[in-house]
Amino acid sequence: SQKIEQNSEALNIQEGKTATLTCNYTNYSPAYLQWYRQDPGRGPVFLLLIRENEKEKRKERLKVTFDTTLKQSLFHITASQPADSATYLCALDFTGGGNKLTFGTGTQLKVEL
Amino acid sequence: GAVVSQHPSWVICKSGTSVKIECRSLDFQATTMFWYRQFPKQSLMLMATSNEGSKATYEQGVEKDKFLINHASLTLSTLTVTSAHPEDSSFYICSAPNPSGAGETQYFGPGTRLLVL
Repeated sequence: SQKIEQNSEALNIQEGKTATLTCNYTNYSPAYLQWYRQDPGRGPVFLLLIRENEKEKRKERLKVTFDTTLKQSLFHITASQPADSATYLCALDFTGGGNKLTFGTGTQLKVEL
Repeated sequence: GAVVSQHPSWVICKSGTSVKIECRSLDFQATTMFWYRQFPKQSLMLMATSNEGSKATYEQGVEKDKFLINHASLTLSTLTVTSAHPEDSSFYICSAPNPSGAGETQYFGPGTRLLVL
């Protein structure tokens, strides 16, 4: 069965540093891979989407890479701030747009002053 | 942008009672909506796919008689937790597909926290 794994340990980094989060999956590559942010008691908030034929996507301080050979996506937050502290989820859409998402386990990021 | 709302945002009920949670797409139509459940410190797990005008599709291990889904209109899906028990206490989140095809593929609601005493 398909497995999606993210860093299970919480990631603590210093303000201003780059945070790198990992999402690894088994078996089939998704048509789309998305990253979400989730704060306690809230629903997920969309950050970035990358397609299977794309290597990298950027949005402001965020960057996502997608390597279908390694079956891995990396999510980077540059110049991190305490406000970036949250849980980050990767979500895979295997069929392409508008269909159900399979979520990873999530990684909790804490940015310290 | 498009918004998905949920009501109520939180609910406390006694064991054995039924609870209804609403999911609405506010400025777009959704023939399909998805219901997820999230336990503390865990990720979102898909429970079922709600289909307007037809039966919902449930994921393996989810009891369809316990989690009743009704998608009566193009903007509303409801999830009813019947005869709720403490183990049903969780965070329930719905989503609807983005009709525009740009940006994210799903719009998520803010979630409903259910506590069964």
